[in-house]
Amino acid sequence: NAGVTQTPKFQVLKTGQSMTLQCAQDMNHEYMSWYRQDPGMGLRLIHYSVGAGITDQGEVPNGYNVSRSTTEDFPLRLLSAAPSQTSVYFCASAGWANSPLHFGNGTRLTVT
Amino acid sequence: DQQVKQNSPSLSVQEGRISILNCDYTNSMFDYFLWYKKYPAEGPTFLISISSIKDKNEDGRFTVFLNKSAKHLSLHIVPSQPGDSAVYFCAASEASGTYKYIFGTGTRLKVLA
Repeated sequence: NAGVTQTPKFQVLKTGQSMTLQCAQDMNHEYMSWYRQDPGMGLRLIHYSVGAGITDQGEVPNGYNVSRSTTEDFPLRLLSAAPSQTSVYFCASAGWANSPLHFGNGTRLTVT
Repeated sequence: DQQVKQNSPSLSVQEGRISILNCDYTNSMFDYFLWYKKYPAEGPTFLISISSIKDKNEDGRFTVFLNKSAKHLSLHIVPSQPGDSAVYFCAASEASGTYKYIFGTGTRLKVLA
């Protein structure tokens, strides 16, 4: 059982480049979300989705886009990367409301 | 506006003693609370949770206490072991199944052998 899979593990971008961070889960979870972890800031919610076709903004959504076309996948898009987006990104899923989140192992992104 | 706060960035405890990690929240709509442990280069892993209808939940060496009137929860680890050394995050989600899980800034626990 793979759980939550994130790719790539590491990525270096130049300012202005675009890229998509991939997230897939095989637990048939309705809820998926993206967090970023920065020193001293903890885990901050970027975007989340409560099911296919439904997305909403979290605490720090600016500069990021998401879509949810299937239950399994929840990609995070950076349209024009900025150095402030240098961070570790975690994808997480949950099966139902008020159940534990399951996290992937993260993507470390550096924007130069 | 930090809705979930962990005011202690770090904590050191001797092996075998109790570790107490604290968390405060401001949103009275939160009704489900969780603790996660995170090792370097890994994703956070779920430890224990508590719903607002309870004031205590126990799982082995881990106990979470919830004080709704004070909007405060704590995680007790007894006895602490060197393998417990990690960053601990508390998190909360709102009633009505909004699915928004908000995390605190984390406390780095170091258990000294």
